[in-house]
Amino acid sequence: DTGVSQDPRHKITKRGQNVTFRCDPISEHNRLYWYRQTLGQGPEFLTYFQNEAQLEKSRLLSDRFSAERPKGSFSTLEIQRTEQGDSAMYLCASSDSGGEETQYFGPGTRLLVL
Amino acid sequence: AQKVTQAQTEISVVEKEDVTLDCVYETRDTTYYLFWYKQPPSGELVFLIRRNSFDEQNEISGRYSWNFQKSTSSFNFTITASQVVDSAVYFCALSEAIGNYGGATNKLIFGTGTLLAVQP
Repeated sequence: DTGVSQDPRHKITKRGQNVTFRCDPISEHNRLYWYRQTLGQGPEFLTYFQNEAQLEKSRLLSDRFSAERPKGSFSTLEIQRTEQGDSAMYLCASSDSGGEETQYFGPGTRLLVL
Repeated sequence: AQKVTQAQTEISVVEKEDVTLDCVYETRDTTYYLFWYKQPPSGELVFLIRRNSFDEQNEISGRYSWNFQKSTSSFNFTITASQVVDSAVYFCALSEAIGNYGGATNKLIFGTGTLLAVQP
């Protein structure tokens, strides 16, 4: 039973560059979530997909952020023109829609913007 | 607004001591879920428990136990006979409904976490 995987695990970039993260959910899960966690805080919700449809976006998701899940399987989160304030852990979670709905998290991608 | 408060920022205990992590929540929903997750230094959030708001029965799983009291909006977590491997940040989370119709689900509202350090 494979859990949620994320790639890369760590990313260092310079301010102004674009970055893209990938999340592969648990295979039978049709719901996928992105969260952001800054140092000393709990994760904060960014966006949610059911299959390929993006059904909810937080106001935290500025215009520089875009997420996709083109075939209803893996998802990507892109940040354009990164800023130092984007430095955080980006966590992906998945769940099924059969009533359990517990969200299982991946190991996260730690982003550092210099 | 939905809110989760974990007032204990850090707790340090010696191995084999019992420790309780507090969680107080605020919600306007009548139906909701409460969760505890563990985050070890590696960063991955590990699911520990999910509790339905209708089920106030306490739960025990090995050395872990949870006390849900709707009257005080609390969902506390106790580790009995703590071990060094229990050292981690523990998060309490509350569900908030999002989406609609066939796409309705919940997002999680997390507290700020409690760092538990278990000394040998």
